[in-house]
Amino acid sequence: EIVMTQSPATLSVSPGERATLSCRASQSVSSNLAWYQQKPGQAPRLLIYGASTRATGIPARFSGSGSGTEFTLTISSLQSEDFAVYYCQQYNNWPSFGQGTKVEIK
Amino acid sequence: QVQLQESGPGLVKPSETLSLTCTVSGYSISSGYYWGWIRQPPGKGLEWIGSIYHSGSTYYNPSLKSRVTISVDTSKNQFSLKLSSVTAADTAVYYCARPVAAAGFDPWGQGTLVTVSS
Repeated sequence: EIVMTQSPATLSVSPGERATLSCRASQSVSSNLAWYQQKPGQAPRLLIYGASTRATGIPARFSGSGSGTEFTLTISSLQSEDFAVYYCQQYNNWPSFGQGTKVEIK
Repeated sequence: QVQLQESGPGLVKPSETLSLTCTVSGYSISSGYYWGWIRQPPGKGLEWIGSIYHSGSTYYNPSLKSRVTISVDTSKNQFSLKLSSVTAADTAVYYCARPVAAAGFDPWGQGTLVTVSS
């Protein structure tokens, strides 16, 4: 099993500021990594796949980077609608998710 | 536009079998792709349960494999989940979603809460 570890658990950010979220895999997943956004009461929404490719309709302020075991999701200038929980997920092996990072208003 | 919708009982008794169906619209399951189930206990993270190809081949989360069966009915454009011998730990929102090769899960159904309680 590939264990995905996200940090921090909670990130307090002011609107307009940059947010940087981290995801680490217990073994290499190459670039087989996706990021999701989940708001309360909603299903997760795919943001990034292939570690750095934005999904259809995702704003350019969301960017992903990394390969192997270390990955980063950056939100360049937080908008009010971006406050949510973010999950990483690897699909190099049978799929597994990180425990999530909650981005809250500072 | 592909859309998925889960359906099934919202309450299941301990030791019984949880059964859910996902109806796909906007795409014919028989045309291809894998189709999957993911769950999320209240206030917790996401756990992949398993996936099925349109031909019927399956792969399951090893931690759940002994209790899980996923099947597909191409005539109804549906796929289904059965989870046996449930306990309170299986209480969760269950999502169906499409795993896309090298691209994660997209789209997702809205999810359905299943509570295991007597």
